[in-house]
Amino acid sequence: ETGVTQSPTHLIKTRGQQVTLRCSSQSGHNTVSWYQQALGQGPQFIFQYYREEENGRGNFPPRFSGLQFPNYSSELNVNALELDDSALYLCASSLQVANSPLHFGNGTRLTVT
Amino acid sequence: QQQVKQSPQSLIVQKGGISIINCAYENTAFDYFPWYQQFPGKGPALLIAIRPDVSEKKEGRFTISFNKSAKQFSLHIMDSQPGDSATYFCAASEPNFGNEKLTFGTGTRLTIIP
Repeated sequence: ETGVTQSPTHLIKTRGQQVTLRCSSQSGHNTVSWYQQALGQGPQFIFQYYREEENGRGNFPPRFSGLQFPNYSSELNVNALELDDSALYLCASSLQVANSPLHFGNGTRLTVT
Repeated sequence: QQQVKQSPQSLIVQKGGISIINCAYENTAFDYFPWYQQFPGKGPALLIAIRPDVSEKKEGRFTISFNKSAKQFSLHIMDSQPGDSATYFCAASEPNFGNEKLTFGTGTRLTIIP
């Protein structure tokens, strides 16, 4: 069973730039969720994708967008980066059924300077 | 608005002791309450979870106690071991999102000393 993998592991960007983060879901999982974890804080829900469509969104502006592909992998795109976007971005996969636990990847550490 | 409040922020427990982490929530629509364990450089991993129709759930050395009327739940780690040293997050979710949209607490950094 292959777990959730994220790339890259670390990234440094300049304010105003755009970034794309990638996630491969665990084998057999059809739902992907993205979370932002600021230093010393709990993860915050960004959005979820199921059947290649956004299926729920947290309190994040439109410059945070995503995609899910037919193989259930996913991308998180952030435009017009701000210093406060510096965080660990976590991808989690699951099944779209009740009681399906989230399986998190190890995240991408984004630093915006 | 912080919907799930977690305490303490950090906790030091002697090996063999009991570690207790508490969480309180405000949203009465929450119906799923998991605990996650996170080691440095890793993503959170599900430890144990409970639904509000039971007051306690035990899995090995880990127990969740749930008080629906007080809107509180806690994690107890019995016989704490140095390998339990990690950051622990409580979380909660509403039924309309299934189990995927979790609201997390701010975390507790647990250190088990020999």
